Amino acid sequence: GNSVTQMEGPVTLSEEAFLTINCTYTATGYPSLFWYVQYPGEGLQLLLKATKADDKGSNKGFEATYRKETTSFHLEKGSVQVSDSAVYFCALARQTGANNLFFGTGTRLTVIP
Amino acid sequence: NAGVTQTPKFRILKIGQSMTLQCTQDMNHNYMYWYRQDPGMGLKLIYYSVGAGITDKGEVPNGYNVSRSTTEDFPLRLELAAPSQTSVYFCASSSGQGAGEKLFFGSGTQLSVL
Repeated sequence: GNSVTQMEGPVTLSEEAFLTINCTYTATGYPSLFWYVQYPGEGLQLLLKATKADDKGSNKGFEATYRKETTSFHLEKGSVQVSDSAVYFCALARQTGANNLFFGTGTRLTVIP
Repeated sequence: NAGVTQTPKFRILKIGQSMTLQCTQDMNHNYMYWYRQDPGMGLKLIYYSVGAGITDKGEVPNGYNVSRSTTEDFPLRLELAAPSQTSVYFCASSSGQGAGEKLFFGSGTQLSVL
C-alpha cells in the first residue's frame, strides 16, 4: 500500500538553527512527493515538491531530495526563523487516480527567538 | 484572491444534530476534496469530486454526504452527528488529478460533537 511516516514532534529550535524533519514513504510505482505547510489559523499550502527520483524541491530556503534508494524525502533548512513556526506535512501522490494523495501525521515546529 | 473559502470556522454540535459545511472555490478547478484531520493523525480523504455532478467516496466516507451541483461549490453534509466526527475539516481543490498537482486548501472548520 501507500503510506507516509514522519518524525514525531513537536520540534522546538532556536532561531538560526538547522532544521531536519524526516519523512519516509511506502508506495507502489513511482509517486510524487510533497511538503505542505500549515501556518497558525490557515489551511495547508504547498511548500515544495519533487516528481521523480533524485529531484530536489526547494522553496523559501527549504529543501528536500527525493531518495528512491532510501524511500525518503527529508525536509531541511539551514537557518530557521520565527516565521517558520508551523506544522509541516509530508505527502505522496500516486501517479493515477483523483483519490491519490496520502499525508503524514504532521510535525509541529516552533522556533524561539 | 479568495481561493478556497470554508464556512463556518468553528461549530459545536450536539449528538444527532445535522449540519452542512460549506466550501467554495473561485479558481474554476474541476477537482474538489474534503479531508478530516484528527489529532496526531494525517489528513484522511472523506469524499472527492472530479467535476460538477460527479462525486466519489474517499477513505472515510461513513456518516457524510456530498453534492456538487456547480463547479464552485462542494458542501459536506453531516446527517446525524456523532462524537467520532469531532475533527478539523479541510476542503481543497486542484485543477487536475495528476501526481504532481498542487492542492489549494481552505482554512478549515473545527467541529466538536458533544
